[in-house]
Amino acid sequence: IQLTQSPSSLSASVGDRVTITCRASQGISSYLAWYQQKPGTAPKLLIYAASTFQSGVPSRFSGSGSGTDFTLTISSLQPEDFATYYCQQLNSYPITFGQGTRLEIK
Amino acid sequence: QVQLVQSGAEVKKPGASVKVSCKASGYTFTGYYMHWVRQAPGQGLEWMGWINPNSGGTNYAQNFQGRVTMTRDTSISTAYMELSRLRSDDTAVYYCAKDSEAGGMATTSFDYWGQGTLVTVSS
Repeated sequence: IQLTQSPSSLSASVGDRVTITCRASQGISSYLAWYQQKPGTAPKLLIYAASTFQSGVPSRFSGSGSGTDFTLTISSLQPEDFATYYCQQLNSYPITFGQGTRLEIK
Repeated sequence: QVQLVQSGAEVKKPGASVKVSCKASGYTFTGYYMHWVRQAPGQGLEWMGWINPNSGGTNYAQNFQGRVTMTRDTSISTAYMELSRLRSDDTAVYYCAKDSEAGGMATTSFDYWGQGTLVTVSS
């Protein structure tokens, strides 16, 4: 299953509302997770089952969607949110990731 | 607290093999599948497969079938990933990642990751 994220990169300012989309090539129910990765570090789980927060993740992050179309929204960007974001499908093997969305400071 | 600590960076020649370890602590090692994911320099994430630490059963991505072997030593709560017949395009950071669901239930995410092991393949 292919996952296509858009945009591939995004420039935004602190305080902005940002939305990243992830489209699956076939239906994956709600078996979708979102990760944040900063340079030189491992990915960090943000959201699983499309919309469920991982413990400790700030409430400004939210996820939605099911089937083939999903979104990750950051309601008010903070300086620590500038990173690369990946979606991941776990509906069927092989588990696959989107190509990533790089969120940069404007 | 859950921790996954991986072995150090490796430099290998083409055709050689590499074995990366991942020592788990802070949870029941045999209760959760362990996945391996790699990331080539400047690239995205690629799932390689999982091992069931309880049974030793494995599921490998087709891209790595025949070249990857995942094993575990339950006595020291450590998972291993060995990749053989290395090529230059195997140069990447290799991560182990714990499955979030217990007992092999349908996985929903990877909730903890190791720090990564850089494997460089160069002649």
